[in-house]
Amino acid sequence: EAQVTQNPRYLITVTGKKLTVTCSQNMNHEYMSWYRQDPGLGLRQIYYSMNVEVTDKGDVPEGYKVSRKEKRNFPLILESPSPNQTSLYFCASSMVLGVYEQYFGPGTRLTVT
Amino acid sequence: GDSVTQMEGPVTLSEEAFLTINCTYTATGYPSLFWYVQYPGEGLQLLLKATKADDKGSNKGFEATYRKETTSFHLEKGSVQVSDSAVYFCALSDRNNNNDMRFGAGTRLTVKP
Repeated sequence: EAQVTQNPRYLITVTGKKLTVTCSQNMNHEYMSWYRQDPGLGLRQIYYSMNVEVTDKGDVPEGYKVSRKEKRNFPLILESPSPNQTSLYFCASSMVLGVYEQYFGPGTRLTVT
Repeated sequence: GDSVTQMEGPVTLSEEAFLTINCTYTATGYPSLFWYVQYPGEGLQLLLKATKADDKGSNKGFEATYRKETTSFHLEKGSVQVSDSAVYFCALSDRNNNNDMRFGAGTRLTVKP
């Protein structure tokens, strides 16, 4: 089954404790992206990757890091989480952005206390 | 920069009512337009898309027409069902802007029996 998986689905952590949210797709997509969803703000892009070893900042990259060492994986790293990073996070992938739609993971709900 | 504006919710309708969710966009080039739907506890999934002016996207009884003259892509359904209750996102992807994808804030629809 073609899918994007994320882990964990739910995470409660404390300020400053490094964490990683994993994302993996099995569709051989070149493009991958991370979004955060906050009430009234829709989805805002954090980082994206056009291909292996190619990453770039989205609209809200502060406090986040990513890497793309393999085509299928695109982890999101929070080196020192803060309460304002409490949000619902989505990973997405696409064959090529533009005409083709993005496929989304199920989401990771992160709470930073 | 590119942006998407969609009508604020929440929208509450009775079953079999007519649905319209307005969406307008601003883009420098010739974007592709999408409607995504998010059911409770799930990630976003593509509902329909249109890639050029005057195209009509349709799926599951929903439809939207790409109107370049009014820069709009309004979502319509003639007779909604309780199972259509979800959050709907309008989005664009602009080939002239590095294929950057922009989402509206989302409109929550609740359909009552």
